[in-house]
Amino acid sequence: QKEVEQNSGPLSVPEGAIASLNCTYSDRVSQSFFWYRQYSGKSPELIMSIYSNGDKEDGRFTAQLNKASQYVSLLIRDSQPSDSATYLCAVNGGSNYKLTFGKGTLLTVNP
Amino acid sequence: GAVVSQHPSRVICKSGTSVKIECRSLDFQATTMFWYRQFPKQSLMLMATSNEGSKATYEQGVEKDKFLINHASLTLSTLTVTSAHPEDSSFYICSARKELVSEAFFGQGTRLTVV
Repeated sequence: QKEVEQNSGPLSVPEGAIASLNCTYSDRVSQSFFWYRQYSGKSPELIMSIYSNGDKEDGRFTAQLNKASQYVSLLIRDSQPSDSATYLCAVNGGSNYKLTFGKGTLLTVNP
Repeated sequence: GAVVSQHPSRVICKSGTSVKIECRSLDFQATTMFWYRQFPKQSLMLMATSNEGSKATYEQGVEKDKFLINHASLTLSTLTVTSAHPEDSSFYICSARKELVSEAFFGQGTRLTVV
């Protein structure tokens, strides 16, 4: 069974700090990796996708992928209170494009 | 952009009735649409995958006769919860995928409450 593991948190950081979110996955053939942000009562919003080993930066967000360690992370620089949300890691390994989600990490950025 | 519209956003229905939820891709053709259910403080659980013009593929443990999915066109999929019961109360979310693209984009979700 494919599994995606995340620390449930909550992760609390002060405003302006770097928030680091981690995710591990069990299926070695996984090819696509995504980070979604979900505010309470809302649906997930795609914030980052990454497909190859290394870092991918988009504004204040950096995704890091290490396929050998089956590990993907998300760094949020200069964290803002508006970043407070649950962050979901999702992994796609098959041709049917089904995503397997982790349980999410609740991030709180304190002003 | 890739906009997915889901309707209604919130519905309350009586036990035993049926509810239809629509999911539309507004600015792209969705080769595949997915339906998820999310209970409070839990992650998204995939219910079924639907491809235009073919029968939906349901995940293990999801009753296909209770959760009817129709993907009649490349821009519209519907989920009908038949004979709803209070335990069906949940947040139902659809997502849609463009052809040749891995990313899936989510609709706004539907909060279903069965009383």
